[in-house]
Amino acid sequence: DGGITQSPKYLFRKEGQNVTLSCEQNLNHDAMYWYRQDPGQGLRLIYYSQIVNDFQKGDIAEGYSVSREKKESFPLTVTSAQKNPTAFYLCASRDLVSQPQHFGDGTRLSIL
Amino acid sequence: AQSVTQPDIHITVSEGASLELRCNYSYGATPYLFWYVQSPGQGLQLLLKYFSGDTLVQGIKGFEAEFKRSQSSFNLRKPSVHWSDAAEYFCAVATDSGGYQKVTFGTGTKLQVIP
Repeated sequence: DGGITQSPKYLFRKEGQNVTLSCEQNLNHDAMYWYRQDPGQGLRLIYYSQIVNDFQKGDIAEGYSVSREKKESFPLTVTSAQKNPTAFYLCASRDLVSQPQHFGDGTRLSIL
Repeated sequence: AQSVTQPDIHITVSEGASLELRCNYSYGATPYLFWYVQSPGQGLQLLLKYFSGDTLVQGIKGFEAEFKRSQSSFNLRKPSVHWSDAAEYFCAVATDSGGYQKVTFGTGTKLQVIP
């Protein structure tokens, strides 16, 4: 089945540590997105990428980094500069600009 | 700038009762409109979408939504709620900005279904 796979489902970060969240899609979608979800705040855009080797900052990019070396993969690194990383992270992708985004099942990141 | 308002943070309905979740948006032109549903610890699942044409759109799981341009609203409805509908619902507005799809999500409405 085509879809978006996020891993791991749960992740724990120690102080001063960088962690990387994986997002893989086999939908052949060009555009991919990373969102952060906090209770009562909806989804906020961290980074997005419309094509391979290109990505743009979203509304809350500080403390995060991404890469897009392959069409199907868009990993997100939460760096030690992100002082409040505890959240639910969602990856999404879409085909045409008029089409809805498809979402993975998310990764919950917590601080040890 | 586009914005989405879901005025109800929590809604409780009895099983079998009808449901309406409100969504108001702010945007100069007609945007693309979506409703998503999220179960705890899961990603978002698309319920339905509106791009143009018929203002009443049908979605999955028996949901429908009506686009009302004059009220800038896109309310979600279901005639008879099932216990399995308990979840959080998000309205979203998407616009095309030079090939980039900018999506704004509402803050969500949590639906509780009681027997």
